[in-house]
Amino acid sequence: DTAVSQTPKYLVTQMGNDKSIKCEQNLGHDTMYWYKQDSKKFLKIMFSYNNKELIINETVPNRFSPKSPDKAHLNLHINSLELGDSAVYFCASSLLAEDTQYFGPGTRLTVL
Amino acid sequence: DAKTTQPPSMDCAEGRAANLPCNHSTISGNEYVYWYRQIHSQGPQYIIHGLKNNETNEMASLIITEDRKSSTLILPHATLRDTAVYYCIVRALGGGYQKVTFGTGTKLQVIP
Repeated sequence: DTAVSQTPKYLVTQMGNDKSIKCEQNLGHDTMYWYKQDSKKFLKIMFSYNNKELIINETVPNRFSPKSPDKAHLNLHINSLELGDSAVYFCASSLLAEDTQYFGPGTRLTVL
Repeated sequence: DAKTTQPPSMDCAEGRAANLPCNHSTISGNEYVYWYRQIHSQGPQYIIHGLKNNETNEMASLIITEDRKSSTLILPHATLRDTAVYYCIVRALGGGYQKVTFGTGTKLQVIP
């Protein structure tokens, strides 16, 4: 069974569109994260949710809005997509906020 | 979080031990050393972590110097599937959320 899963794996869209990426973890963890890995391969934290509540927003534009319907899911909605949003987005989870993080397979977003 | 320094790339012959160094000279007393790896196009994979004692699991061994200013990740018998970017990270545990900062890592190439 996949521990942290993301859908879709690939997403190609036009500038200005709105899109969502979904993440689910079946590890029973309380904390979930979104990371962005750009073309230079730098991996940066975007958001962290603990038990459905936002605990970290690392200076991410308001066009990005995470939503956590329950503690097993953390979705990322992006409005008005821009070329610079093209990247691989990784979801991760940890038992508690200070514990080891486990990552999903990533979603490659391409904005044309 | 303390910064880490890793060589940008290393080669290792298949079947030999791969020794990946990491310097973390400004590490604090409550900070752990973590290792992750990222195989091409996949999500980062947790390998091992330690505080001051040497650690071993089914994937690797972690050797931390007595002054804790550096560490070495050892893959005892490298295989082609170990080709990946290896990240050394230091972070505190406990006390809630601690930002995990990924650097540029070491690109390990295992050669047949």
